[in-house]
Amino acid sequence: ELKVEQNPLFLSMQEGKNYTIYCNYSTTSDRLYWYRQDPGKSLESLFVLLSNGAVKQEGRLMASLDTKARLSTLHITAAVHDLSATYFCAVETSGSRLTFGEGTQLTVNP
Amino acid sequence: NAGVTQTPKFRVLKTGQSMTLLCAQDMNHEYMYWYRQDPGMGLRLIHYSVGEGTTAKGEVPDGYNVSRLKKQNFLLGLESAAPSQTSVYFCASSRGHTWRETQYFGPGTRLLVL
Repeated sequence: ELKVEQNPLFLSMQEGKNYTIYCNYSTTSDRLYWYRQDPGKSLESLFVLLSNGAVKQEGRLMASLDTKARLSTLHITAAVHDLSATYFCAVETSGSRLTFGEGTQLTVNP
Repeated sequence: NAGVTQTPKFRVLKTGQSMTLLCAQDMNHEYMYWYRQDPGMGLRLIHYSVGEGTTAKGEVPDGYNVSRLKKQNFLLGLESAAPSQTSVYFCASSRGHTWRETQYFGPGTRLLVL
């Protein structure tokens, strides 16, 4: 059974600081996705990582994938309040099925 | 282009009642999915479909049935609702495995079973 673990599950940080969210998974996969969810809202796609060593950046967020270590990271640079949300990683298995991590609830404080 | 839509947005059921959740997409996607999201948890796959007329079980299929009679619609049925099925249900769609792209999610349906 595939397990996807994120840490930390809760993250409170100050504006302007940097931090990294980690996503570990237990089976071979070369496709990993990051999503953002605001309270009471649906999921918004952030990044699609399709190969070992893939790195994607959008604004203050940068995601990377190491398939050999079965690890993806989501790095936050100089956090701002608007980044407060829950972030999910999801690993793709056969049939385009996704297995999600538990989510990291990020709060950015002024 | 509405993307992925879900009806209803919110529903309250009594234990034992039945209902159907409708998901529709206008992107001509082959694959469609139903997930449930419970507090403090990620999304868990209930059932999915890789094309019109096909369905398959996901991680937590018990108590649910699905149908994909038309490519653009994916129905999720609860034959006899239980309080454990109180959750937020999300539908998603994607072009398919070979396209290597993300799934697009609907706005969600909040279901409360009393």
